Amino acid sequence: DAGVTQSPTHLIKTRGQQVTLRCSPKSGHDTVSWYQQALGQGPQFIFQYYEEEERQRGNFPDRFSGHQFPNYSSELNVNALLLGDSALYLCASSSPGDGNTEAFFGQGTRLTVV
Amino acid sequence: KQEVTQIPAALSVPEGENLVLNCSFTDSAIYNLQWFRQDPGKGLTSLLLIQSSQREQTSGRLNASLDKSSGRSTLYIAASQPGDSATYLCAVRDYTGANSKLTFGKGITLSVRP
Repeated sequence: DAGVTQSPTHLIKTRGQQVTLRCSPKSGHDTVSWYQQALGQGPQFIFQYYEEEERQRGNFPDRFSGHQFPNYSSELNVNALLLGDSALYLCASSSPGDGNTEAFFGQGTRLTVV
Repeated sequence: KQEVTQIPAALSVPEGENLVLNCSFTDSAIYNLQWFRQDPGKGLTSLLLIQSSQREQTSGRLNASLDKSSGRSTLYIAASQPGDSATYLCAVRDYTGANSKLTFGKGITLSVRP
């Protein structure tokens, strides 16, 4: 059973550019959440997708957007990158509607903005 | 606003020691609490999930307890091993429901000396 998979694992972008990160949830999970983890900090909630719609959003600017596809996979897009966007981006999946509230995380995408 | 605190930030113990990692949260109205392990530069591995109605959960050498009224959880690790060296994070899911976001502490970095 494949767990949560994220791609790419590492990425280097220039300030002002745009980036897309991808996530495939654990088999059987329909809800995907994205988190940003700065060095030495706990993950911070960005947003959550369920049934192809953004259901909840954390305190992140509109430069952060996302999408969920019919197969439950998801993308995180960040526009106009800032140096402060450098972080580990984590994707988590769960299936709360089925009573599976345990969150499973992927290995993360390390984004470096230079 | 929910805040999660984990103190101390780092801990170093000799192999074989039993240890307790603490987690406190400000709002006792939670849905559940989850403990994670994170190896350097990697994603999060779920260790234990405690529902708000439960007092403790056990998995192998790990035991997690929850005292919702006092806003505290502890992760007990028995007979620690060098392979237990990692950062341990606790996260609470707020009362709004099974699909609500996780709020994380900053984690406790554990080093187990051979």
